[in-house]
Amino acid sequence: NAGVTQTPKFRVLKTGQSMTLLCAQDMNHEYMYWYRQDPGMGLRLIHYSVGEGTTAKGEVPDGYNVSRLKKQNFLLGLESAAPSQTSVYFCASNPSGTQETQYFGPGTRLLVL
Amino acid sequence: KQEVTQIPAALSVPEGENLVLNCSFTDSAIYNLQWFRQDPGKGLTSLLLIQSSQREQTSGRLNASLDKSSGRSTLYIAASQPGDSATYLCAAMNNNAGNMLTFGGGTRLMVKP
Repeated sequence: NAGVTQTPKFRVLKTGQSMTLLCAQDMNHEYMYWYRQDPGMGLRLIHYSVGEGTTAKGEVPDGYNVSRLKKQNFLLGLESAAPSQTSVYFCASNPSGTQETQYFGPGTRLLVL
Repeated sequence: KQEVTQIPAALSVPEGENLVLNCSFTDSAIYNLQWFRQDPGKGLTSLLLIQSSQREQTSGRLNASLDKSSGRSTLYIAASQPGDSATYLCAAMNNNAGNMLTFGGGTRLMVKP
């Protein structure tokens, strides 16, 4: 099992450009999440999904969109990147039970110039 | 809104010391409290998960406790080693749909040989 994988690992964007971050999990988990981590801070939830075809807003959703067309994939889109979106983005998945932890991907480092 | 705080933000100890990391949360209506380890440039790895009905969990040299009434959790590391150097994050799984986690800012630990 690869667990949770993220593509790409690193990306540089110019202000106003768009991009999509891909998260894939092979554990058949129902729930998936996108977080951002800024220096000296913990992780903040951007969007999440409780199943294929569903998405919901987290704590900091502005400027991002998500889609979950397949159960194993969760896409995070930036339509018009801003320097404030420079961050490390983490994807995670959870089987749906409250007794289970979240499993994290290795992260995507994004720099917006 | 749940808020999670970790003190201290950074800690440096000599090898062999026993140490305690602190985590506090404002809303006691949680499903569980989780501790993660994050190595530089890497994703998060789950260490311990304490259900809301439990008082503590142990794994090897690690022991985590939970006191919901006071809104506190501690991570105890016995006989620290240089390999324990990492950032430790605590997170509360909130009592709401989606099993969302609210993270603290982390404690950066350095264990010196």
